Amino acid sequence: RKEVEQDPGPFNVPEGATVAFNCTYSNSASQSFFWYRQDCRKEPKLLMSVYSSGNEDGRFTAQLNRASQYISLLIRDSKLSDSATYLCAVTRGSSGDKLTFGTGTRLAVRP
Amino acid sequence: NAGVMQNPRHLVRRRGQEARLRCSPMKGHSHVYWYRQLPEEGLKFMVYLQKENIIDESGMPKERFSAEFPKEGPSILRIQQVVRGDSAAYFCASSPGRGSEKLFFGSGTQLSVL
Repeated sequence: RKEVEQDPGPFNVPEGATVAFNCTYSNSASQSFFWYRQDCRKEPKLLMSVYSSGNEDGRFTAQLNRASQYISLLIRDSKLSDSATYLCAVTRGSSGDKLTFGTGTRLAVRP
Repeated sequence: NAGVMQNPRHLVRRRGQEARLRCSPMKGHSHVYWYRQLPEEGLKFMVYLQKENIIDESGMPKERFSAEFPKEGPSILRIQQVVRGDSAAYFCASSPGRGSEKLFFGSGTQLSVL
């Protein structure tokens, strides 16, 4: 079983739609969780950290469910510019631990 | 404040040649991570370095690959005797301290092996 798993998609949605992605992780010792965005094989860019209490940044909301070991990303009012691959990443959070990425979920927003 | 700088952006090598990829971390960052992304795949961790130390190389292939981060100068990922399967995007990321909270990535080096 992969350490971090995501549905590869693609998710094809119209502008204005609400779309949600899930990401499951297998290591219960994981401590820190992130969503990154990657455009067309460019470098990944941090979208948001994911906290136990959940967090929101504009149209984006991230949630963490430790009991079921998954994190989610909700995008409201989708824009064409949201089209990208969304990568979840986890780390055990201990000193020197690396980020482990999922393979990403592709989102295509159509006019 | 310049971000993570990688060069070259594109590197073409013939089978059997050597590839050297460079990464200069963000100012003030002393920790560097290398990741590889094969076509249609996710980012795979390769190695984590601190100045003059390799902290975690669990993702490095056993042969032909090496990495360093000297006291002065950029981090170098070196691939000897490249093969077609080495063709990939190689991303470097840096962070200010131990742990990988909020990694900042460079633009990557696209290696093509002919």
